[in-house]
Amino acid sequence: GNSVTQMEGPVTLSEEAFLTINCTYTATGYPSLFWYVQYPGEGLQLLLKATKADDKGSNKGFEATYRKETTSFHLEKGSVQVSDSAVYFCALSDTGAGSYQLTFGKGTKLSVIP
Amino acid sequence: DTGVSQNPRHKITKRGQNVTFRCDPISEHNRLYWYRQTLGQGPEFLTYFQNEAQLEKSRLLSDRFSAERPKGSFSTLEIQRTEQGDSAMYLCASSLALGQGRVGFYEQYFGPGTRLTVT
Repeated sequence: GNSVTQMEGPVTLSEEAFLTINCTYTATGYPSLFWYVQYPGEGLQLLLKATKADDKGSNKGFEATYRKETTSFHLEKGSVQVSDSAVYFCALSDTGAGSYQLTFGKGTKLSVIP
Repeated sequence: DTGVSQNPRHKITKRGQNVTFRCDPISEHNRLYWYRQTLGQGPEFLTYFQNEAQLEKSRLLSDRFSAERPKGSFSTLEIQRTEQGDSAMYLCASSLALGQGRVGFYEQYFGPGTRLTVT
């Protein structure tokens, strides 16, 4: 079956530090990959996506590259801000399954301190 | 606000009671999904609808769980005879199924969730 493994949190960084949150996946087909973010008290929001191998998703300074050879989709940001404090979820959607249901990792809580 | 809405936002119930949650998707979206999120975990898929048809329900957690989308618009998720283990956040998401290969197909937009506490 499909699964997503992401690095355990919580992660605490100082403002302007470099961020990496690792994500690897197992899928039977050719998944699309996503990063969702959940800010305190809010619902899940799509942060970025990639639908095929070697695609790079980017948004709000965050980037992630779909690496089929390493089955990875690591999230990076060059300089984090306090406003980036949130829980980040890596997810996949198996495009061969018809339902396009999302399979999520457990989430990584990021805290950015001034 | 034209996003996905869920009601109620919080529900506290006693064990053994029935509860029903409502989800109103983005108006032009034809797919609607339900997920459950427990503390410290990512959301877990439960079921989904395309218009009024429930196309996948094998992942519903037990026969105490049921969902409907009678007119292809809003949806309800019911839990009968609640148990303490049902305490969780129940999330609804919607998407627009344009057809395979179209970018918009894959994006699910989530509501704020209904937090259920069973005492």
